[in-house]
Amino acid sequence: AQSVTQLDSQVPVFEEAPVELRCNYSSSVSVYLFWYVQYPNQGLQLLLKYLSGSTLVESINGFEAEFNKSQTSFHLRKPSVHISDTAEYFCAVTVRGGYNTDKLIFGTGTRLQVFP
Amino acid sequence: EAGVVQSPRYKIIEKKQPVAFWCNPISGHNTLYWYLQNLGQGPELLIRYENEEAVDDSQLPKDRFSAERLKGVDSTLKIQPAELGDSAVYLCASSRTSRETQYFGPGTRLLVL
Repeated sequence: AQSVTQLDSQVPVFEEAPVELRCNYSSSVSVYLFWYVQYPNQGLQLLLKYLSGSTLVESINGFEAEFNKSQTSFHLRKPSVHISDTAEYFCAVTVRGGYNTDKLIFGTGTRLQVFP
Repeated sequence: EAGVVQSPRYKIIEKKQPVAFWCNPISGHNTLYWYLQNLGQGPELLIRYENEEAVDDSQLPKDRFSAERLKGVDSTLKIQPAELGDSAVYLCASSRTSRETQYFGPGTRLLVL
């Protein structure tokens, strides 16, 4: 069965600094990978996803994530964060092509706190 | 296009009382999900519907939880009776098909006293 590990529960960072939120997954089969963001008192919003093709995927607000099959990782990065990026970030995985393609498995989340 | 709508946004009840949550998915989305999100945790799937059929309810505590999706559109999730441990956020999500991206509603935050 697949699982997702987010190693950092909290990441404090100053505004305009770079940030990396780590995500590792365990699965013996090919997977789809996602990052969702949850702003305070709001639902989850899809930030970016890897389904196939280029291993580097980008979001419209400057985040990017790279699928690394050998390291089973899908770390999220941003070269310069803003105060408005303060939120909870969830990594998620689902099995590619299997009967459980509908089931998203989420990590425990990483709270990104951006300070001025 | 409107997103997934949930109500109420917040609910406070006493233990042993019943409670119900409502979800209206994005128009045209056949698949609907209910998730439970405990504090400091990621969402966990409770039940998935394909149209009006519940195709995965293996994680739904059936002794007190029930759900329905009449006519394959709106859905309700009920807890009866509620327990202190049910305090959490209940998220609804929908997708066009089970193989496509899930879109989440804002959630219902439940507090059981």
